[in-house]
Formats: sequence, C-alpha cells, structure tokens
Amino acid sequence: QQQVRQSPQSLTVWEGETAILNCSYENSAFDYFPWYQQFPGEGPALLISILSVSDKKEDGRFTIFFNKREKKLSLHIADSQPGDSATYFCAARGGGGRALIFGTGTTVSVSP
Amino acid sequence: AQTIHQWPVAEIKAVGSPLSLGCTIKGKSSPNLYWYWQATGGTLQQLFYSITVGQVESVVQLNLSASRPKDDQFILSTEKLLLSHSGFYLCAWSPQGSLSYEQYFGPGTRLTVL
Repeated sequence: QQQVRQSPQSLTVWEGETAILNCSYENSAFDYFPWYQQFPGEGPALLISILSVSDKKEDGRFTIFFNKREKKLSLHIADSQPGDSATYFCAARGGGGRALIFGTGTTVSVSP
Repeated sequence: AQTIHQWPVAEIKAVGSPLSLGCTIKGKSSPNLYWYWQATGGTLQQLFYSITVGQVESVVQLNLSASRPKDDQFILSTEKLLLSHSGFYLCAWSPQGSLSYEQYFGPGTRLTVL
C-alpha cells in the first residue's frame, strides 16, 4: 500500500519555466511534509518542508502549496534551471511520528 | 556545522557473506539516527531508528540489524547477505527531541550483492 503518491513520474521543462510536481497522501494524521532533492549517486537533500497547519511555504524559487482537505500538495519550481535536474521526493511523517514515508519520486529534466 | 560520514562508499559482496556499514555524525549532540534503503531508481524505505545509545527500533525487517554503540555512531549489519540486499543505504539524523522531523541524509553506501 503506497501511502504517499507522486505524479508525474518524470517531467521535462524548458529553462525558465515553472515545474509543478504533485503529491497526495492517504493518512489524515500526517502532519509534516518535506520535499527532498536527490542527484544520482548522492544522498537526498532536504529542500523545503511544510506543516499541515499551513497552506503555503516559499523558499526562493521553491514553493509548496498544501490542501489538507484534499490531502494533496504540490511543489512549484519557478524559473527552472538546468541545475535543478534531479529526482524530487515528497515525504510525510506518520501519525505516530516514528517514520518518514516517501513517495516514489518525480524525475525532473530542465532543458536549456 | 554538522557533518555525516558513511563508510564504505561502496561495497561488492558475495551472497551469504557478512556485512557491516557505518555512519558517524559530528557536530551534533545526541541526534536521532536512521537507516534507509533505496533500490536503484526507487523510493526510500526506513529500516531502523535510534533515539539514544544502545536503543534501536526496527521499522522494516529485511534480515538486517542495527546497533548504536556510541552517541555519534550507527551501524547496520547482517551475518548473511541476500541478493535482495543490493541497493543504496542511507544514514540520516534529526535533532534530538523531534523524531523524524527535518531529517538530514548522509552521502550513502552503494552495495552490490553478487
């Protein structure tokens, strides 16, 4: 059972465009949602995160939009750069706070 | 600044052989520590977590075990490797007192079991 789902599986955008990555979850007890960026052969890096009490979080070119009622969130990468080409994972903290549950990832390619 | 080091960087092992992977955190006192496994091209699966020395909780059993012999050290091991153990092993830490909140990952160890 996949508790955190991501779409699309892969995404290609032109440099300067906004990339939109989607994430949905099933457990209404999830209260913390980080996004991680991973380059091939490296460990994931925490990019931005949001708590379920907020509906939006911005950090530079990265913005999370959160809809608690629909159990959905999205990551917007504005003014995409070739250096943003990576796999992005959405994750959620379980109701008991004991585990981070990761989605299947979205691989983003930014073409110059 | 906190630094996280994993060793070895990569391993190639035979089925049935033992394994020991290590992780060290410097610059942070009494962190929560985690082990994750990632299949090639796949998602991350949390395996173990520890909030203090000598105490380890299992999240998923994959014929692996973990130990925390020191405040800044986390060890992942098995006596007998399986083909299914191949993948990318990641150690992560979070600040004391906030289990799973803001986890930071190490560089990982690539394991190939033949």
